[in-house]
Amino acid sequence: GQQVMQIPQYQHVQEGEDFTTYCNSSTTLSNIQWYKQRPGGHPVFLIQLVKSGEVKKQKRLTFQFGEAKKNSSLHITATQTTDVGTYFCAGNAGNNRKLIWGLGTSLGVNP
Amino acid sequence: GAGVSQSPRYKVAKRGQDVALRCDPISGHVSLFWYQQALGQGPEFLTYFQNEAQLDKSGLPSDRFFAERPEGSVSTLKIQRTQQEDSAVYLCASSLRRGLSYEQYFGPGTRLTVT
Repeated sequence: GQQVMQIPQYQHVQEGEDFTTYCNSSTTLSNIQWYKQRPGGHPVFLIQLVKSGEVKKQKRLTFQFGEAKKNSSLHITATQTTDVGTYFCAGNAGNNRKLIWGLGTSLGVNP
Repeated sequence: GAGVSQSPRYKVAKRGQDVALRCDPISGHVSLFWYQQALGQGPEFLTYFQNEAQLDKSGLPSDRFFAERPEGSVSTLKIQRTQQEDSAVYLCASSLRRGLSYEQYFGPGTRLTVT
């Protein structure tokens, strides 16, 4: 079946270091979404990418969608303690409204 | 405006009891989703509605799980004869249909503990 893999599963960084999480799909996606879930919280929508090769930035966060629309990445520059949480990618395949979710990357930031 | 709300926020049920979890989506959002999230895991899809129609219920783990959205707004997820493995956070999300825009807005979840 359709799967979305995320790596790494966990990462701890020192505050100020960069962080990247990668998302790979077994099938072509019509779009990719990224969510952040703080400990004890609920997923919060960050961004959606639709076009092949698309790159979007939100302050220190950079999101990329691969040319083949099967992979994506989220890069955080100069992490801060407020970046702590689990980052999930999720995508739609074709017109299926059911999002296929990755298992998430849990980010810890040491002050 | 108001976001997605869920009630109760916490529910403790004895094994075998029935529970009902409520979701109030963002006003005007056509699509509504239910997810189950175990500790340390990602959300697992349960079911979704477009207005009052339940278009996909492939994620419901057993026939003890039932969801409805009779008037196309508020939704209820019911679990009959709860089991310990049902303990999880149940998340509701809503989405405004807008072309390829599928972003979902999540409620705070209901944490269900079955003892």
